[in-house]
This record gives sequence, C-alpha cells and structure tokens, in this order.
Amino acid sequence: NFMLTQPHSVSESPGKTVTISCTRSSGSIASYYVQWYQQRPGSAPTTVIYEDHQRPSGVPDRFSGSIDSSSNSASLIISGLKTEDEADYYCQSYDSFNQVFGGGTKLTVL
Amino acid sequence: QVQLVESGGGVVQSGTSLRLSCVDSGFSFSNSGMHWVRQAPGKGLEWVALISYDTYDKYYADSVKGRFSISRDNSKNTLYLQMSSLRPDDTAVYYCAKGQVGAMVGWLGSWGQGTLVTVSS
Repeated sequence: NFMLTQPHSVSESPGKTVTISCTRSSGSIASYYVQWYQQRPGSAPTTVIYEDHQRPSGVPDRFSGSIDSSSNSASLIISGLKTEDEADYYCQSYDSFNQVFGGGTKLTVL
Repeated sequence: QVQLVESGGGVVQSGTSLRLSCVDSGFSFSNSGMHWVRQAPGKGLEWVALISYDTYDKYYADSVKGRFSISRDNSKNTLYLQMSSLRPDDTAVYYCAKGQVGAMVGWLGSWGQGTLVTVSS
C-alpha cells in the first residue's frame, strides 16, 4: 500500500494564500484522482476539491487543486484566506481497491 | 439532498461485537460503492472498508481484516458494519460515506455525521 504525506500544520494571515501539499509514496499521482476534504471540529468531512481540481457546487473559487508529476504530489491552494477556512484538511486517493487518506493538515488563520 | 445517517455506536468491552448501520435517504444508493471511514479521538481519517453496489466485492483495511464485515441491503438503502473481537484501538467515530455511481474507489461525495464507538479494556 502507498502513503499520502501532508504537513502536520500550516498557518497564514487572513487575505493571504496558503498551499497544502500531499505527496504520494508510490504509484503515479497522475494515475489516480486526488480529493481534498475539509473538517471542522465536531463535524464530518466535506469535499472542497475532487478529481484533482474540480470544485463541488457551493465551494468558493478561492479553493483550487493541482497535481505535480515531477514531485508526485498534489496541492490544495486557498487564496484570500478567511478565518472560517481554519480547519483540518485531508487529501485522499486510491489504487485498485484501497482508499488512502493523508494524515491531515491543521490550517490556522491568524 | 443526500443524507446518510449512522447508528449503532456505543460503549462496549474489549472482545465483544457491535453492528453499525447507515441509512441513505438520498438517491443512487443501490448504484454506488459504499464505505466506512473511522477517526480515532484527536487523530486523522482512516478508511476501513468498502462494498460494491451489487455486494459482490468487499475490501478491508489490514487493521480490521478478519474482524469486521461490511454488508448492505439495497432494498432498505442501508449499509452495515459488523465489528467483532473489538479492541481499544478500534475506538473512533465511524462514518459511512458514499462513492460515486459505478465507482468502487475515488471521491467520497457524501458523508454521514458519524457514530462513536468506544471500546473499553
């Protein structure tokens, strides 16, 4: 099985842009879609990005996703940070019949 | 609006069994792969198990293989997780999640609110 590695935490000021990375340990990042979920304390995860860069309806375009084959990683980019973006963010991908989540990144907006 | 509602959590002793249920009041349950994902207190998300739309294919995380069994009843729009030989490290909030129509793996577009399972030693 492969792993997805995320930074444990990131912090940035309101109005700025932050990037959260997700590196795949084996297998090509480009071969399997990556999803990103936001989870606020006490709540279930919700999707902010699916299939690498797609946004579900209702998710603001301040959220974007990309993949980089050279580093075998995916990124979640949040621009124009708001205090309400403070949450845990998880990347998720798969291979064959395994779903794998990254360890999660705590985003602090201060 | 898709809504998944889990039930069946509680406090149990180590070595015992518990069955979780998840009712889907939305659409396309019978055409979608379904998953269980858990989250230990203060920890990250861990995928637990998945079942194909037609019940024929089932896959498990190594941590629960041989102890947990996933099943579904499409006539009742209900997903189950039978958990046996429970251990304290199974303590977690258990979420059911719906995959996309026709897909076994990939995006989990809908999640329930979770049900807490606490295993005491």
